[in-house]
Amino acid sequence: DGGITQSPKYLFRKEGQNVTLSCEQNLNHDAMYWYRQDPGQGLRLIYYSQIVNDFQKGDIAEGYSVSREKKESFPLTVTSAQKNPTAFYLCASSPTGAPGGYTFGSGTRLTVV
Amino acid sequence: SQQGEEDPQALSIQEGENATMNCSYKTSINNLQWYRQNSGRGLVHLILIRSNEREKHSGRLRVTLDTSKKSSSLLITASRAADTASYFCATDNDMRFGAGTRLTVKP
Repeated sequence: DGGITQSPKYLFRKEGQNVTLSCEQNLNHDAMYWYRQDPGQGLRLIYYSQIVNDFQKGDIAEGYSVSREKKESFPLTVTSAQKNPTAFYLCASSPTGAPGGYTFGSGTRLTVV
Repeated sequence: SQQGEEDPQALSIQEGENATMNCSYKTSINNLQWYRQNSGRGLVHLILIRSNEREKHSGRLRVTLDTSKKSSSLLITASRAADTASYFCATDNDMRFGAGTRLTVKP
């Protein structure tokens, strides 16, 4: 079955460490997105990519980095510059222009210890 | 800011009652989608309505779209405790999401 996979489900980071969250899709979607969700809040856009080897900053890109070397993969690195990284991170994908909406992964919960 | 904004922020009802939540958006769209998010999970696509449609049904869900008012509503009929979740709307021309409506259905 086609879908979008995020790993790991839970991730713990020590202060000052960089960590990378994985997002893989086999839906043949061109566009991929990363969102951050804080408790009881909505989704905030971190980065998005509409084509391989290209990506754009969203609304809260500071302290995060991404790459899009393959169509299927859009990893997110949470760097030590992100001062408050504890949150729930969601990855999504869509065909270009999202004519049918977005498909989401099940999320990664990142906690700073 | 995001295209779609949901209202109310929170809604609490008894099992068996109907739940209605609204979405307003700012610019012309080709389609609008509704999603459900259970606590600690990803968003699940519920229903999509195109700009040339006024109403769409899927099981206990009914979605309406008023392009003149730039608004949509999601009605869940005969609600169940399992409908407890957050509900979000999104449009085809904006990848941003609002804060959602947190629905609590009490048994």
